[in-house]
Amino acid sequence: GAVVSQHPSWVICKSGTSVKIECRSLDFQATTMFWYRQFPKQSLMLMATSNEGSKATYEQGVEKDKFLINHASLTLSTLTVTSAHPEDSSFYICSATRTSGGSQFFGPGTRLTVL
Amino acid sequence: DAKTTQPPSMDCAEGRAANLPCNHSTISGNEYVYWYRQIHSQGPQYIIHGLKNNETNEMASLIITEDRKSSTLILPHATLRDTAVYYCIVGGGNFGNEKLTFGTGTRLTIIP
Repeated sequence: GAVVSQHPSWVICKSGTSVKIECRSLDFQATTMFWYRQFPKQSLMLMATSNEGSKATYEQGVEKDKFLINHASLTLSTLTVTSAHPEDSSFYICSATRTSGGSQFFGPGTRLTVL
Repeated sequence: DAKTTQPPSMDCAEGRAANLPCNHSTISGNEYVYWYRQIHSQGPQYIIHGLKNNETNEMASLIITEDRKSSTLILPHATLRDTAVYYCIVGGGNFGNEKLTFGTGTRLTIIP
C-alpha cells in the first residue's frame, strides 16, 4: 500500500508554454500533498503544501502565480508550471500522507525540460 | 524543525552492515527521526522512523541514543541496490501533515 504516482514521468516543452503535472495517491486518501523541486546534484526543496479543498501554502520565494496548485480531491493534486522558462527545468516530486496521518510517501518524480 | 548533520559520503562493502550516522542535537521532545533514501532520478523512499525507542523493520534498524541527540540507521546486509542518498530528517508528532526539510544527506556507495 501507500503508492503515489505522477504523470507524466518526463516532459519537454518550449519556453512560454504551460505544463501540468499530476500527483495521485493510488491506494489511500490524502488530505495533504506536498510538492518539491530538485535541481541536479542538490537536495529536495519544498515548494508548497497542498490541502484538499483549500488554497495551497507556498514556501518563501516560490511564486504562487507561476506554480499553480490544485488539490480538488483526496487522491489528486496538480501542479501547473505556467509560462515555463529554461530555469524552470528541474525534477518535480510530490508526496502524500494518509488522512489518518503517518509518513509521507513520495511519487517517482517528473523531469521537466524547458527548451 | 530541528536540523540534522550527516557525513556527505560513505562506502560499504557488499554483504556487510552499513551504519549511517545522524546528529540532531537540537531535536525537541515531540519530534520524530525519519529516514528516507533516494536512488538516482527517483522519488525518495521511506525507510523507517522512531521517537525514542530503537526500531526495526524489513529494511533497516534505527538506533536512537538515550539523549535523542543522534541516531544511526543500520542496513544489516548491504547490497548494490542500497546505493543511494540517505536523508535523516526530524519532524513533529503528527508528522504526515508537516513539511519535511531535506538536508544534503549521505551518499552511500556499496562496493562489490
